[in-house]
Amino acid sequence: DTGVSQNPRHKITKRGQNVTFRCDPISEHNRLYWYRQTLGQGPEFLTYFQNEAQLEKSRLLSDRFSAERPKGSFSTLEIQRTEQGDSAMYLCASSLGGRGANEQFFGPGTRLTVL
Amino acid sequence: SQQGEEDPQALSIQEGENATMNCSYKTSINNLQWYRQNSGRGLVHLILIRSNEREKHSGRLRVTLDTSKKSSSLLITASRAADTASYFCATAPVDSNYQLIWGAGTKLIIKP
Repeated sequence: DTGVSQNPRHKITKRGQNVTFRCDPISEHNRLYWYRQTLGQGPEFLTYFQNEAQLEKSRLLSDRFSAERPKGSFSTLEIQRTEQGDSAMYLCASSLGGRGANEQFFGPGTRLTVL
Repeated sequence: SQQGEEDPQALSIQEGENATMNCSYKTSINNLQWYRQNSGRGLVHLILIRSNEREKHSGRLRVTLDTSKKSSSLLITASRAADTASYFCATAPVDSNYQLIWGAGTKLIIKP
């Protein structure tokens, strides 16, 4: 399967713990996105990478969130000192570059539950 | 922030009927995309329509775009149970080279 993969698929943690999620994009895609989605809502943009450079981070994102994409391949999203409000589905997507936003290919998501 | 607004929020129809969903947005766009999300397959891209296009077809899907009204519609003809899902429109604003702005979606239920 050459689609976008995410690990883990589910994560249950206690408030205050740190969690890290991984995303493996489609290999030839240079753009990578992280989104957060809660029930009944569309994806909410978190951050964007073009190759290894993080070019945009949502102003709504607290400093507890950090993302990396070393070598422009896989990406990790870390949430420090988790809060119950962080409970959501975290989605990763990748796409080809070019003018404007192209079709995005999504992974299955990581569902985070903070107790 | 979410730009697109889908209408209706929920739609329930009989199998075989056509389903129409609408999307309105606020800023000028490069393109508009429709995605489907169900529990089995996650978010999947359906169709992309560029700002200089008015209508596009893909199988049983027909998308229209009216940039003067800043609105789009997605028509699914001859609906099937497998079409049960949430449908999202996402707009690519002209002032961004990469960003998509998403609506809250229309939940479609196809009754057998």
